[in-house]
Amino acid sequence: EAGVAQSPRYKIIEKRQSVAFWCNPISGHATLYWYQQILGQGPKLLIQFQNNGVVDDSQLPKDRFSAERLKGVDSTLKIQPAKLEDSAVYLCASSLDPGARSPLHFGNGTRLTVT
Amino acid sequence: GNSVTQMEGPVTLSEEAFLTINCTYTATGYPSLFWYVQYPGEGLQLLLKATKADDKGSNKGFEATYRKETTSFHLEKGSVQVSDSAVYFCALSDSAGGTSYGKLTFGQGTILTVHP
Repeated sequence: EAGVAQSPRYKIIEKRQSVAFWCNPISGHATLYWYQQILGQGPKLLIQFQNNGVVDDSQLPKDRFSAERLKGVDSTLKIQPAKLEDSAVYLCASSLDPGARSPLHFGNGTRLTVT
Repeated sequence: GNSVTQMEGPVTLSEEAFLTINCTYTATGYPSLFWYVQYPGEGLQLLLKATKADDKGSNKGFEATYRKETTSFHLEKGSVQVSDSAVYFCALSDSAGGTSYGKLTFGQGTILTVHP
């Protein structure tokens, strides 16, 4: 089966600019996650979707970050305006059914550099 | 809140050496525990997991046992190979279950380098 697809692979922007990341989960996976991985740290959950509804966005900095999952498939994560501390790898993951303890499948991530 | 602490790295070993990467956790309830691996240029992959106390997860020669009494989930391998060079992450899932299962708390990661 095809894995979780993410694009772009790399992005360099200046602070105060905006940026968007795209994720296409594995077909049929109802649950989608966005994680932020800062260099030298483990990934941190930003937001979780179940189909097209938000399950948990308690760790999402809502003053600058937004995410949507239209039609319950693809998802986009946006940062506007970006800050230097947003430099990180943004990971998308999907799961068939977390209630059944299905494993998470991660994409290769988008590496964001804010200068 | 939940937290995961991994041994400080990086770890450098010769091929066929014994590997231990320590992981301890703090959580309420009974979380599931995981080891994820990230090979160079690739995404995170689940290596092994354990869902209750005294469970042993194993895969590709790696093992880890869920020790509730010491809140630990140490990763071990008896004989490492050059191809095991990667970053290893210990993680736990929210014990609430249901849709919370995928809400993972990760340790900071341990870089493993294996030399021939």
